[in-house]
Order: sequence, then structure tokens, then C-alpha cells
Amino acid sequence: SSELTQDPAVSVALGQTVRITCQGDSLRSYYASWYQQKPGQAPVLVIYGKNNRPSGIPDRFSGSSSGNTASLTITGAQAEDEADYYCNSRDSSGNHPYVFGTGTKVTVL
Amino acid sequence: QVQLVQSGAEVKKPGASVKVSCKASGYTFTSYYMHWVRQAPGQGLEWMGIINPSGGSTSYAQKFQGRVTMTRDTSTSTVYMELSSLRSEDTAVYYCARDCRITMVRGVIIETVYWFDPWGQGTLVTVSS
Repeated sequence: SSELTQDPAVSVALGQTVRITCQGDSLRSYYASWYQQKPGQAPVLVIYGKNNRPSGIPDRFSGSSSGNTASLTITGAQAEDEADYYCNSRDSSGNHPYVFGTGTKVTVL
Repeated sequence: QVQLVQSGAEVKKPGASVKVSCKASGYTFTSYYMHWVRQAPGQGLEWMGIINPSGGSTSYAQKFQGRVTMTRDTSTSTVYMELSSLRSEDTAVYYCARDCRITMVRGVIIETVYWFDPWGQGTLVTVSS
């Protein structure tokens, strides 16, 4: 099935660690990629593949995967990390060759 | 630097069509597929389809089959997304995003990693009577 499920919202204290998860059958076959989206802006890639960060993305962002679950971890969250986060993966089994997660709103307290 | 610049906001009436453009620069246009993704107000990201700028082949999400057409102009490094029979539910920001992928061989395992980077700035399409 072409679905990736994320928790709608999570909160984290400034400087603490938060993990965002993404669940779906497609993740058993494909790595997830992760995107950060701030209000009124286009999404920005933060993690792809096993655990790769594009140039310019702080190393407090990391990714991992196990079974049907992919995770994005922010270690030492900063105020500027408050945003929506979406996962994405290929999906060879459904009607959509690519599928996005439902999104997680991260609030930094 | 790699950049995708989209056309400006549009206001359309129900039943009309809209054509959004996405001009690429900073890389070889025909070497990377391009995606279109939309986001309704307050909602998540929705994948619409992909075009191969080299040959023009396309693949669309089933939801948009018959209503969406993606084309490209290699002379201007521009891809287009046309959506027809617009309805109020099509009000959204439409993004283009470059497809990136790499295939790795680990022993007997071949795996391909996919991601979208960069994204265009988005084009707001408002459908209203």
C-alpha cells in the first residue's frame, strides 16, 4: 500500500533530542529521504539514503532505518529547527511510484 | 548553483486549465528527471508525477491521470505541468523538484537511493469562481 505514516506533532526542549518516525511497507525496500519545510517556504532536503546529509545541513540531523520504519533524529534541537518534516520513498507496489509521509510538526520549546 | 525557478501565481475559474513552468539552471537539464509535487493549504505534500527531460516520457500518479500533462522544452531547460478541469480542491502550491538517485553495489546487493533536490520556490494556483 502507498502510505507513509508519521506522528502529527512532537515537541522538544531547546538543546534536547527528538526522533521523528515514518512507517510504511515501502521502507522495507527503499530508503527514506527527509525534508524540512518552514512556513511559506519550499521543502528542503535534510537526509537521504542510509544517513547522508546534503552540504549545509547541520550534523545534528541524522537518519536511520529498521524494517518498515525510518527515523530522523535531531540531536541538540535549535529554535530554527521548528518546522514541518516529511519523509518520502519510492514505492513499487502501489499506484504512486513515489509517496510522501503525512508530515510531523516539530515544536522547539 | 543548481536552481529551479517557477512561474508566478495564477487564479483560475473552475473548469479551466493552468500551466506552470519550472526553469532549471546550473546543471545538465537532460540528465535529471523532474517531479511535480503539490500542497493544498494546511495540508501535506502530494506527489503528482515525473518527467524525463531527455526523452519526454512521463509517469503520473493515478489520481491525476487524464487531467495532468507534463512536458519539457530542452531549448530553454524548462519543464511544464498543465492541469485541466480545475476544481476548488486543486487550489494549492505546486512545486517542481529535481530527481536525484544513485545506485550502489554492496556485494551481491544492488540498491538505488532516491531523493528530491533542489525544489522550486512554488507556484500558488487558486481555483475560484
